[in-house]
Amino acid sequence: EAGVVQSPRYKIIEKKQPVAFWCNPISGHNTLYWYLQNLGQGPELLIRYENEEAVDDSQLPKDRFSAERLKGVDSTLKIQPAELGDSAVYLCASSIQGETYNEQFFGPGTRLTVL
Amino acid sequence: SQQGEEDPQALSIQEGENATMNCSYKTSINNLQWYRQNSGRGLVHLILIRSNEREKHSGRLRVTLDTSKKSSSLLITASRAADTASYFCATASIQGAQKLVFGQGTRLTINP
Repeated sequence: EAGVVQSPRYKIIEKKQPVAFWCNPISGHNTLYWYLQNLGQGPELLIRYENEEAVDDSQLPKDRFSAERLKGVDSTLKIQPAELGDSAVYLCASSIQGETYNEQFFGPGTRLTVL
Repeated sequence: SQQGEEDPQALSIQEGENATMNCSYKTSINNLQWYRQNSGRGLVHLILIRSNEREKHSGRLRVTLDTSKKSSSLLITASRAADTASYFCATASIQGAQKLVFGQGTRLTINP
């Protein structure tokens, strides 16, 4: 069974440029998460989807970040424009909706470097 | 902001020794989970302990939970070089068990 797939794995851009990350969760997992992980820190939730609905986006900086999950399967996270402080690893995870004790399955992440 | 605080931030031991990592948290929880992250990889779920459990085992892993002290510990016995990784605790609150809040992690190095 394929795990969570993310692309690209690495991205280097100049500040003020846009960037997009893509995630395909495990088949059958209705819940999808986007996390930001700074160096030496644990992941911090940006947004959580239940199917196509964003049920928790309180930590998403909405002035420059946006996300979508139009068909309730794969998802795209966008930053426009990128700032130097956005350099981090962006992790996608998925889990089975409705499970009280949710184990999350993580993708390998996209390492973003903003120059 | 991150709820969990992990101790120590870094731990280096010899292969074969036991490794103990601690996690403290602030709010009431539904469950607490431990994850491992190898360098450049995503996180991998290790073990989940519910708020009404005090101890749980999985292979060489032993997790304890003390809800009165709001703390948990992860013990890895008979460590191997392949255990070298960062280990994170994550808490799911009573209000929202679908949301995990991660600690800053413990970087474990096993020396051969």
